[in-house]
Amino acid sequence: DTEVTQTPKHLVMGMTNKKSLKCEQHMGHRAMYWYKQKAKKPPELMFVYSYEKLSINESVPSRFSPECPNSSLLNLHLHALQPEDSALYLCASSRGAGYTFGSGTRLTVV
Amino acid sequence: DQQVKQNSPSLSVQEGRISILNCDYTNSMFDYFLWYKKYPAEGPTFLISISSIKDKNEDGRFTVFLNKSAKHLSLHIVPSQPGDSAVYFCAANAGNNRKLIWGLGTSLAVNP
Repeated sequence: DTEVTQTPKHLVMGMTNKKSLKCEQHMGHRAMYWYKQKAKKPPELMFVYSYEKLSINESVPSRFSPECPNSSLLNLHLHALQPEDSALYLCASSRGAGYTFGSGTRLTVV
Repeated sequence: DQQVKQNSPSLSVQEGRISILNCDYTNSMFDYFLWYKKYPAEGPTFLISISSIKDKNEDGRFTVFLNKSAKHLSLHIVPSQPGDSAVYFCAANAGNNRKLIWGLGTSLAVNP
């Protein structure tokens, strides 16, 4: 298995909703990432987990809450989002310098 | 301060010809460089990478050249195909730092 799997692929949520994005990989990668990407812009790093511990938080608002239940899973919990949070949310994993990205969750906040 | 620069926002090439995408960097600590390709509404797909100990890496139609003295790398696609039309991002990494530094991307259009 050489993939990073993200669910759901699309999500529409209201500003008062709570939802979660999920990410899974079975490549034995011990670093996992959440990125946010707006159209035609490079991915913006949000969080990095290394060996299941949060190692980097790029000053992300608390309405985004990451969780790493085990070495294969990464979640992003969403609460009270704003319309400007609408974007493609990407999960990635890495071993050394090789990164693998999932296909993303297209999030729309209404 | 943009540490990784892709100065051409877009590039248009005829099918069958060579596409050359350029990337410049300012941080001499970068020791690993990657190229990603991105279609709309999809995640970036890894294309090819190069370590700073090399000056060339080739994989099929894709070749990346690294000029460390000029802090410049380029991605060559030959022959270009319409399916290569996408946004190409250059990214760099230093040592064990988990953070990729990205360029702003170049949108490549390969015309039939």
